[in-house]
Amino acid sequence: DAGVIQSPRHEVTEMGQEVTLRCKPISGHNSLFWYRQTMMRGLELLIYFNNNVPIDDSGMPEDRFSAKMPNASFSTLKIQPSEPRDSAVYFCASSPGTYYEQYFGPGTRLTVT
Amino acid sequence: EDQVTQSPEALRLQEGESSSLNCSYTVSGLRGLFWYRQDPGKGPEFLFTLYSAGEEKEKERLKATLTKKESFLHITAPKPEDSATYLCAVRPNRDDKIIFGKGTRLHILP
Repeated sequence: DAGVIQSPRHEVTEMGQEVTLRCKPISGHNSLFWYRQTMMRGLELLIYFNNNVPIDDSGMPEDRFSAKMPNASFSTLKIQPSEPRDSAVYFCASSPGTYYEQYFGPGTRLTVT
Repeated sequence: EDQVTQSPEALRLQEGESSSLNCSYTVSGLRGLFWYRQDPGKGPEFLFTLYSAGEEKEKERLKATLTKKESFLHITAPKPEDSATYLCAVRPNRDDKIIFGKGTRLHILP
């Protein structure tokens, strides 16, 4: 079975540019989570969706960050404009429901110069 | 405030040398504690879920246990391929979100 798919795996961009990260959850999972991981802060939840509806975006650091889930098989996380402090690894995870374990994708390593 | 603390931050063991990793938590009611393994350059991989004090789960050389304030991940006779970062996470009663600890970096020397 295919796991969570994320693209791109690596992204290098200049400060001020728009960045879009993509995620395809495991088929049949109805909860989707976006995380950011840094050495200093570990794994931080940014936003999560249930049945394509955003439930909690309190972890989104600023208005520069936005996320959408137009259907059950696709989600995007957008940063506009990007800043060097956004450099991190961004993970998408999905689960059969919010009470269950989460399955993570391979992550997108973002570097903003 | 809900909190998860893992110790030690890093641990080096010889192959075959058993040990335990600790996860201490402070939450307003526990609705699940999770252990994950993360290899460099990869996403966390789910290992176990524990729900109540006294519960134990095993997988190969790993055994996870749970008390009312902490969980242990016991590693018996580890091999070099067990080297990874092990993450603990908790789900409070009041929330659908899970809170991750910062992990323990485990290195098994051959």
